[in-house]
Amino acid sequence: NAGVTQTPKFRILKIGQSMTLQCAQDMNHNYMYWYRQDPGMGLKLIYYSVGAGITDKGEVPNGYNVSRSTTEDFPLRLELAAPSQTSVYFCASTLGRDSRAQYFGPGTRLLVL
Amino acid sequence: AQKITQTQPGMFVQEKEAVTLDCTYDTSDPSYGLFWYKQPSSGEMIFLIYQGSYDQQNATEGRYSLNFQKARKSANLVISASQLGDSAMYFCAMSLDTGRRALTFGSGTRLQVQP
Repeated sequence: NAGVTQTPKFRILKIGQSMTLQCAQDMNHNYMYWYRQDPGMGLKLIYYSVGAGITDKGEVPNGYNVSRSTTEDFPLRLELAAPSQTSVYFCASTLGRDSRAQYFGPGTRLLVL
Repeated sequence: AQKITQTQPGMFVQEKEAVTLDCTYDTSDPSYGLFWYKQPSSGEMIFLIYQGSYDQQNATEGRYSLNFQKARKSANLVISASQLGDSAMYFCAMSLDTGRRALTFGSGTRLQVQP
C-alpha cells in the first residue's frame, strides 16, 4: 500500500514550457485534490475531483488543468508555465465517508525560470 | 466559505515546556472537522490531530491535544513537553463533512524549540 505518490519530486521549467505533475493513490479513494504551497504560506486548493470523470475548480485554478479518467490517477497539467507557478504542489486524497483521514503525497517542488 | 486564521507567525518555546498554537475558524456549516498538520523542513505534511465539530471531548494524540472551544470558534493546539524535533511549521486546517471535503488552511505558525 503506497498511499499517495507524486512524480517528479523536483522540476525546473522554463517560462512557456508545459508539464504534467503525476499523482496516484492505491487506497480506492473517491476524493482527490491538488494544492499549491507558496513559500511561507498555507496550502491553497487548485482543483479537486469527487470521482472518476468529475473534476472542479478550487480557489486558484488559473493556468492549470486536470483530468480524472481512473479512480487511481489525478494528473495536473501546467500549460505555458509562468514564474508565478513556482511553488510546491501537493496531491491529497480522502475516501469521503470519513474526511478525517486525509492523505498527502510527498509534494513536487517546481521552479519556473 | 470557510476561513482559518493563525495569528502567530512564529513562536519560541524551551525544551520540555508546553506551548499553545492558536487557531480560529469561521464557517456557517454545522458539520466540519478541524485538523492540525506539522511540516518539518523536509516539506512533507504530517497529520497530528483531528477534532470533529460534534465531538464532545477535546481530541488528544500523545503529546498533542486540541483545545476546542466551539462557541469561540477556536481550535488551539497544545504541545506538551516540547522536544527539539517539534521545531517545524504548524498548520491548522478545516474541512466540511459535505461537498468537496477539501481542506482550508491557515497561514501557519513556525515553532522553534530551544534547548
